[in-house]
Amino acid sequence: KAGVTQTPRYLIKTRGQQVTLSCSPISGHRSVSWYQQTPGQGLQFLFEYFSETQRNKGNFPGRFSGRQFSNSRSEMNVSTLELGDSALYLCASSSQGRGAETQYFGPGTRLLVL
Amino acid sequence: GNSVTQMEGPVTLSEEAFLTINCTYTATGYPSLFWYVQYPGEGLQLLLKATKADDKGSNKGFEATYRKETTSFHLEKGSVQVSDSAVYFCALIQAYAGGTSYGKLTFGQGTILTVHP
Repeated sequence: KAGVTQTPRYLIKTRGQQVTLSCSPISGHRSVSWYQQTPGQGLQFLFEYFSETQRNKGNFPGRFSGRQFSNSRSEMNVSTLELGDSALYLCASSSQGRGAETQYFGPGTRLLVL
Repeated sequence: GNSVTQMEGPVTLSEEAFLTINCTYTATGYPSLFWYVQYPGEGLQLLLKATKADDKGSNKGFEATYRKETTSFHLEKGSVQVSDSAVYFCALIQAYAGGTSYGKLTFGQGTILTVHP
């Protein structure tokens, strides 16, 4: 099976712009979670989608949003970018998003905000 | 809320040395526990996991035992190799807690391991 893929791998944006990141889960997986990784805050959960519905959300401002399509592919959007949004954004997929299921991570999208 | 605390890093070892990376957690109920590894420029890979008290997860020579009495999940390896150099993350997920647990891993801050020949 192909692994989790994320596009693009690298992005450079300026403050105030918006950005959309894409994640394609492993075939058959219906749950997609998104995480932000920074040197200062570590790995933080953004949100989780299952069957096109957001089931769980972390403590991020409303500028961070996401969606999931019927084929389980997911996108996240960050509007009005701030310098502090520079980070590695990781998505992970699992079958149902429950309990002890393993989450399989993509390689991430590295976002730099200037 | 849930939290995971890992030992301060970085950790520097010589090849064939014994490795321990400490991990303790705070959670209600019965979390499942994981160790993930991140190599430079890559995403996270699952190293091992344990789903209930006294379970031992193992993979590629790494082991960790779920200790509910001490709320710990320490990672060990008897003989490290240069190829083990990476960042190691301890994580938990709250099982069977409904909406607030779906897909949400809580991570420790990560421990950088460097192994010299």
